[in-house]
This record gives sequence, structure tokens and C-alpha cells, in this order.
Amino acid sequence: DTGVSQDPRHKITKRGQNVTFRCDPISEHNRLYWYRQTLGQGPEFLTYFQNEAQLEKSRLLSDRFSAERPKGSFSTLEIQRTEQGDSAMYLCASSGGTGSAGDTQYFGPGTRLTVL
Amino acid sequence: QKEVEQNSGPLSVPEGAIASLNCTYSDRGSQSFFWYRQYSGKSPELIMSIYSNGDKEDGRFTAQLNKASQYVSLLIRDSQPSDSATYLCAVKRNSGYALNFGKGTSLLVTP
Repeated sequence: DTGVSQDPRHKITKRGQNVTFRCDPISEHNRLYWYRQTLGQGPEFLTYFQNEAQLEKSRLLSDRFSAERPKGSFSTLEIQRTEQGDSAMYLCASSGGTGSAGDTQYFGPGTRLTVL
Repeated sequence: QKEVEQNSGPLSVPEGAIASLNCTYSDRGSQSFFWYRQYSGKSPELIMSIYSNGDKEDGRFTAQLNKASQYVSLLIRDSQPSDSATYLCAVKRNSGYALNFGKGTSLLVTP
């Protein structure tokens, strides 16, 4: 059973550029989440997918952010016109099953974004 | 008031001692509670989940939940230097699927 994977692990970009991150959840999991974590803070929720449907979005997800999960498997998170304040660790998590098992989220290794 | 609050620490305990980590939450309707461990530069790793009032034990770890007091704790027995990390408390709100995290408590286990 492979865990959640994310690509790339590190991304350095210049302000104003667009970046895209990919997340592959645990294979049998139908729920996928994106979080952002900055230094000294806990992860902050960005968005949630159940299969291919995006069911919940945080106010943190500005118009410059878009996420997709086109076939209900992998997901992408795109940030347009990056700003220095976007520098953070972007975490993907997945969960599956019914009841309490469906609430238990497993995190990938994260993508660390640095905007210069 | 933040939705999930933790003492940021650092909490320092000697090797072999019991480490006690605490967390309070504001959404009285919350039903699912989690503890994650995060090493510096790494992603959160699930340690335990708890859903009912009382204690839940898993090896050296015990999670305690008191919904009336809106309080969750994690006890680590026989603490080891390898337990040195930041411990994140996460609470699933009654509505939606997102987890709300505290800022984490930094634990240092000294040899």
C-alpha cells in the first residue's frame, strides 16, 4: 500500500509566475484535501474533493488558486501570479471508507514552495 | 478565539518520563479528534484518533477526550529522544470534512 505522493517536493519560482503541484492519493481513497502550512503554524485547510467533485473551499483559496481532480484520482493545485506570501509547504491528504475511517486523513510529503 | 488551541512549548521532558500534551477546541459539535507528529521539515504523521469520551491506548501513546470540557490530550509514556517533534492536535468540525489544526506543541526529550 503506497502512501500519498506529491510532486514536486520543492519548487522555487519568481514572483508573478504560475506553478502547479500534483498529488496522488492512496489508491482506494475517494477523498482528497489540500492544506497550506507556514513556519510555526499548523496546516490550514484549502479545499476538499470527494471523487471528482470539489465540495468545500476555504476563504484562503483566493482567485489565484485553482484545484482540480478530473477523474477522481490525482489532483492538481495551481497558483497563478505567485506572490511572496504564497511561500509555504503545500500538503495533500487523502481519506477513504465509511464512518470514522473516512475522517482519518493521511498526509503526503508536501511540496515546499519558495517565491523569490 | 482560535478553534483549536495548543501550548506552543517547548515542552522538555527527560528520557523515560511521561510527556503530557494538551489541546482545547471551540466547536462543541466536533466528533473526531486526531494527534499528528511532525518532525522538522517533514509532513504530519498520524499517531492516534479518538472519537469517544475517555482514554484510548496504543503502545506508548494514550489519547484522552473530554467533550464536556472540550479538551483532548496525548500522553507519551517512556519518552524517547526520537519522540522529539512537534505534536499537532486536529479536530474535525461537525460540518464539513476539513481538519482544524492547532499550532502544535514542540516536545524535546532530553537523554
